Formats: sequence, C-alpha cells, structure tokens
Amino acid sequence: GAGVSQSPSNKVTEKGKDVELRCDPISGHTALYWYRQSLGQGLEFLIYFQGNSAPDKSGLPSDRFSAERTGGSVSTLTIQRTQQEDSAVYLCASSRPSRETQYFGPGTRLLVL
Amino acid sequence: SQQGEEDPQALSIQEGENATMNCSYKTSINNLQWYRQNSGRGLVHLILIRSNEREKHSGRLRVTLDTSKKSSSLLITASRAADTASYFCATGGEETSGSRLTFGEGTQLTVNP
Repeated sequence: GAGVSQSPSNKVTEKGKDVELRCDPISGHTALYWYRQSLGQGLEFLIYFQGNSAPDKSGLPSDRFSAERTGGSVSTLTIQRTQQEDSAVYLCASSRPSRETQYFGPGTRLLVL
Repeated sequence: SQQGEEDPQALSIQEGENATMNCSYKTSINNLQWYRQNSGRGLVHLILIRSNEREKHSGRLRVTLDTSKKSSSLLITASRAADTASYFCATGGEETSGSRLTFGEGTQLTVNP
C-alpha cells in the first residue's frame, strides 16, 4: 500500500517568506509526527498529533512554527518569516493506534537563502 | 537535546564483516528502536525491542538492550555494500506508547565491496 508522502520534495525560499510543508500519512494511521533533521544530525521532534486529542507541540522551536491536521489525516507544517537556521530536512511519520513503529515519509528539504 | 547517543559516529568495514553500533540513553524507556536512513531522506524502521526484552533478532540484525546500563547495540552480520547507510537509535518514553521518539545523532556505516 501507499506509504507516507510529503510535498514538496525540495523547497528553496528567501529569508522572511512563509512556507507550507504537507504530509499525507498512511491511511488508518491516527498518529502523525513532524521531525526536523539538520545536516549530519539526528532527528529533532517538533509536534505530534494523536486522533482528536490536543497535539503535543512541545518540540516546536519558536512561535513561527505551527502545524495543523485536518480531518485526522493530512497535516501541514507552516513556518512563518523563515530564517536561515530553519534550513533542514523536515520529516513526517505516522503510526497506527497503540503501535510504536513509525513510518516515515521521504522528507522535504528546505533551504532558506 | 538528543537522548540517544550512538557510538561510533562513523564505521567503515569490508563486505562480509560484522558491524556493531552502540546506543546509550539517559531516561527510562518503554522501548528502543533502530532505524536506517539512506542519503539523508526517509527513515526505515528496522527493529523494536521493549524494555523487558534483552535480545531480539531479525534476519541479519541482532539487537541487545541493557536497561541497567541504559544501552543498546545493533549488530549487522555478514554485511553487504547495500547496508551502507546511517543508523539511528530512538527511544520511546514510558508515559504513552505511540508518542514521540527521541533520536540519537546516528552512526554512518560504510560497507566497502
């Protein structure tokens, strides 16, 4: 079946512009996660959605970052007024209820000039 | 901050040799997982070991977990050039399953043909 998909694959933007990154989780997966990976580093947790519960936003680095999940499926990560330090690969993952294994999308590589 | 710390940061071996990567963590965990990443994009789940398990096998992979030392190891036997990738350990917290994972910074494995 289809895996987690993300779009765009690559995004180049100018400092100060807003960007939106999209994630389509695996059908039936109620949990959705966003992570950020800087060059040569491990993954940094950003935000977690589980069903209709309030999201865990504790990993968002600043108030310029926000995320939504509409209808319990597609999620959008928005970065406002982008900065050069926001350049990274943004990875989305989803998992089934009560299952720990997370399935990752291919990521969006963001470059802020 | 990253909880998991992998050791070594980089490992280069010849095809057919075994590769061992280690991971240490700081807090109590529910489970520990190993993921593989090719070319800085999406991660692939390899194996999950729960806190009450000591060893687990999957094909050429063997994972051990020592909760008293807060450490885990991943052994890849009879390595192949296709095993070249970055390998990350990730810990799942005790409070809930299916919640965030905390990743280490990874071990870059190179298997030379």
